[in-house]
Amino acid sequence: DTGVSQNPRHKITKRGQNVTFRCDPISEHNRLYWYRQTLGQGPEFLTYFQNEAQLEKSRLLSDRFSAERPKGSFSTLEIQRTEQGDSAMYLCASSLPSGAGQFFGPGTRLTVL
Amino acid sequence: GIQVEQSPPDLILQEGANSTLRCNFSDSVNNLQWFHQNPWGQLINLFYIPSGTKQNGRLSATTVATERYSLLYISSSQTTDSGVYFCAVVGGTSYGKLTFGQGTILTVHP
Repeated sequence: DTGVSQNPRHKITKRGQNVTFRCDPISEHNRLYWYRQTLGQGPEFLTYFQNEAQLEKSRLLSDRFSAERPKGSFSTLEIQRTEQGDSAMYLCASSLPSGAGQFFGPGTRLTVL
Repeated sequence: GIQVEQSPPDLILQEGANSTLRCNFSDSVNNLQWFHQNPWGQLINLFYIPSGTKQNGRLSATTVATERYSLLYISSSQTTDSGVYFCAVVGGTSYGKLTFGQGTILTVHP
């Protein structure tokens, strides 16, 4: 049983560049979530997929952010025209529709210079 | 939205001591989880406990949903227990998004 995986683990970019992160959920989990965590804070919800449908988006997800889950398996999170305020840990989680809770990947740490 | 408050914010213990971490939430919940975040940022599942009591080794948790709180007990603490402990809930009207508390930073000295 492999857990949730995320790539890359670290990303350093310059302000204004675009970045894309990938999340591979646990294979039988049809729900997938993205969260963002800044230093000293708890993770904050960004968006949620059930299969390939994006069912909820946080107001934190500005127009520069887009997430996809085209075949209901892996998901990508893209940030366009990165800003220094985007520097954070981006966490992905997956779950079954009922019970057992959400399981998190190791995260992608983004640094925008 | 639902509010989650954790206490204490910081806790310093000697190895072998016991501790209790508290999580209060402002509304009914469908899900409550406790996590331990290690120094590399990985969130490790401790308990899925929307109600009742569970135990796993030196750790146990109790959620009293009607009174809107949960407790995490750590007995005979070890230095490897150090880190940040988060409580997170799914509010009754949510599809499934977790709302996290601010965490409790636990430091266990040898």
